[in-house]
Amino acid sequence: NAGVTQTPKFRVLKTGQSMTLLCAQDMNHEYMYWYRQDPGMGLRLIHYSVGEGTTAKGEVPDGYNVSRLKKQNFLLGLESAAPSQTSVYFCASSYSTGELFFGEGSRLTVL
Amino acid sequence: ELKVEQNPLFLSMQEGKNYTIYCNYSTTSDRLYWYRQDPGKSLESLFVLLSNGAVKQEGRLMASLDTKARLSTLHITAAVHDLSATYFCAVVSGNQFYFGTGTSLTVIP
Repeated sequence: NAGVTQTPKFRVLKTGQSMTLLCAQDMNHEYMYWYRQDPGMGLRLIHYSVGEGTTAKGEVPDGYNVSRLKKQNFLLGLESAAPSQTSVYFCASSYSTGELFFGEGSRLTVL
Repeated sequence: ELKVEQNPLFLSMQEGKNYTIYCNYSTTSDRLYWYRQDPGKSLESLFVLLSNGAVKQEGRLMASLDTKARLSTLHITAAVHDLSATYFCAVVSGNQFYFGTGTSLTVIP
């Protein structure tokens, strides 16, 4: 059972570079979320999606874009990375607002 | 915007002792979750609390919910080293989950 899979697990970027984080879930969940986790700040919601083709902004959306072209995938993009985006990123999925299932996290460092 | 506050942020306790972690939230919600995160790992669900007065127990952990006070507690009984982790509460409002800042628990032998 794969559950929620995030790729890549680790990435180092230079300021201004772009990248995409991929989240894939095999549980047929409608809802998918991208969070960032920073020390002392818990998890903060970046963007979320309640179904294929839909996305919405969360608490800290600036500097990020997302797409949900297929139900099982939720992509998080950074168009021009900044050091403030150094963080651990978690993807999660759920059936409606039931239990959230998390991926293993993606550790991003922006130099 | 819904605010979720946890306290304490850090907790160091001896094995065998009892302690409680508190989770306060600012607006009404229809469900609350507790999650556990081990260092460098992902989050796993511990409990879901759906109604006022709900109580759930698993091993040495017991969670409760008071929706009128907008307060949930996670009580640890006779702590053991394996419980060392960071614990998060998460409150659902609309389609979003709002997480507390987490409580980092260290159980000392």
